[in-house]
Amino acid sequence: AQSVTQLDSQVPVFEEAPVELRCNYSSSVSVYLFWYVQYPNQGLQLLLKYLSGSTLVKGINGFEAEFNKSQTSFHLRKPSVHISDTAEYFCAVSGVASKIIFGSGTRLSIRP
Amino acid sequence: ETGVTQTPRHLVMGMTNKKSLKCEQHLGHNAMYWYKQSAKKPLELMFVYSLEERVENNSVPSRFSPECPNSSHLFLHLHTLQPEDSALYLCASSQGQGASTDTQYFGPGTRLTVL
Repeated sequence: AQSVTQLDSQVPVFEEAPVELRCNYSSSVSVYLFWYVQYPNQGLQLLLKYLSGSTLVKGINGFEAEFNKSQTSFHLRKPSVHISDTAEYFCAVSGVASKIIFGSGTRLSIRP
Repeated sequence: ETGVTQTPRHLVMGMTNKKSLKCEQHLGHNAMYWYKQSAKKPLELMFVYSLEERVENNSVPSRFSPECPNSSHLFLHLHTLQPEDSALYLCASSQGQGASTDTQYFGPGTRLTVL
């Protein structure tokens, strides 16, 4: 069975500071990994996904994530955040012939 | 209209009411999904339709009844709900046939309150 854990429910950072949102997964088979973002009063939107190949994945809005198989992690990073990045971020995992499972989300709040 | 739309955006209903949630995708996608989003809980996949056939039913109580009349429309019919069913219900679509690699495109959700 697959599972995904987002270690931080809330992350406050100052504007223009770097941020890392942590995601760990467990799976006995090859995985596909996703980060989605949910802005206030909106549905989820894909930031980036890892299917295969390069372990460093670049997404929209300056975000990137690195797939680390040995640590079973897929942490999301951005070198300098903006007020507009205030949102909830969801890590998700799926696999061949298995449904997608979402984490419980990390709320990113940006302080001016 | 573009993307995925959901109506109504807000719904308040009593436990004895019958109501329906509507989702429409304008992306030409083949798969559609219903999710339940409750506070402080992971997103729960409820149903998946691929080419108008239900391919996933995640042990959802029978008081939730999905309907997919065509590849652009998805409904969730509600009856005799419980207060714990109050949540944000999200609809999504994807281009493929519900494959695990698909990117999903979400609507803004219907905020449901059951009194």
